[in-house]
Amino acid sequence: DIQMTQSPSSLSASVGDRVTITCRASQTISSFLNWYQQKPGKAPKLLIYSGSTLQSGVPSRFSGSESGTDFTLTISSLQPEDFATYYCHQSYSFFTFGPGTKVDIK
Amino acid sequence: QLQLQESGPGLVKPSETLSLTCTVSGGSISSSSNYWGWIRQPPGKGLEWIGTINYSGNTYDNPSLKSRVTISVDTSKNQFSLKLSSVTAADTAVYYCARLNSTSSLDYFDYWGRGTLVTVSS
Repeated sequence: DIQMTQSPSSLSASVGDRVTITCRASQTISSFLNWYQQKPGKAPKLLIYSGSTLQSGVPSRFSGSESGTDFTLTISSLQPEDFATYYCHQSYSFFTFGPGTKVDIK
Repeated sequence: QLQLQESGPGLVKPSETLSLTCTVSGGSISSSSNYWGWIRQPPGKGLEWIGTINYSGNTYDNPSLKSRVTISVDTSKNQFSLKLSSVTAADTAVYYCARLNSTSSLDYFDYWGRGTLVTVSS
């Protein structure tokens, strides 16, 4: 099984901050890595697929990158609507989600 | 705009079978580039993939669920369904249905239902 870890598990940030969330796979997953945003009581929303491709309609302040088995989600300038939990998701072998990173207001 | 809607009982007794249906509207479930999946989220916890099916009935599911999962599709109704047998309290969760976009062999869940809470309790 491919295991996914995320760091940090939570962070506090202010509007306008640059935020970085890291996801690590337990083995190579090529670029089969997606990122989702989830707000309380809502379904997850796809932000980025294939490591770095922005889903249609997602603001350009979101970006994704990869280095080996490490993947990064960056929010360049945090907006009020970005306070949420973020999950990574590997689709290389079956499907596994990371444990999530909660971004809240400092 | 594609929409998915889960339906089914919100309360299931321990050892019984959980049954949910996902109705797809605004598009055809028979698209060859898409699969359809179930994901769940226990209260306050993370996401767990349950299983996936395509329009012709090809399925694959999470080995950790130890063959308790049955997923089926009804193309005439544009629906797919989940059955999870021998449920326990650990199966209490919000259950989501979602479209797995498999264009160019990239797999990602791009459309989700709102989710339905299923509680396992006597």
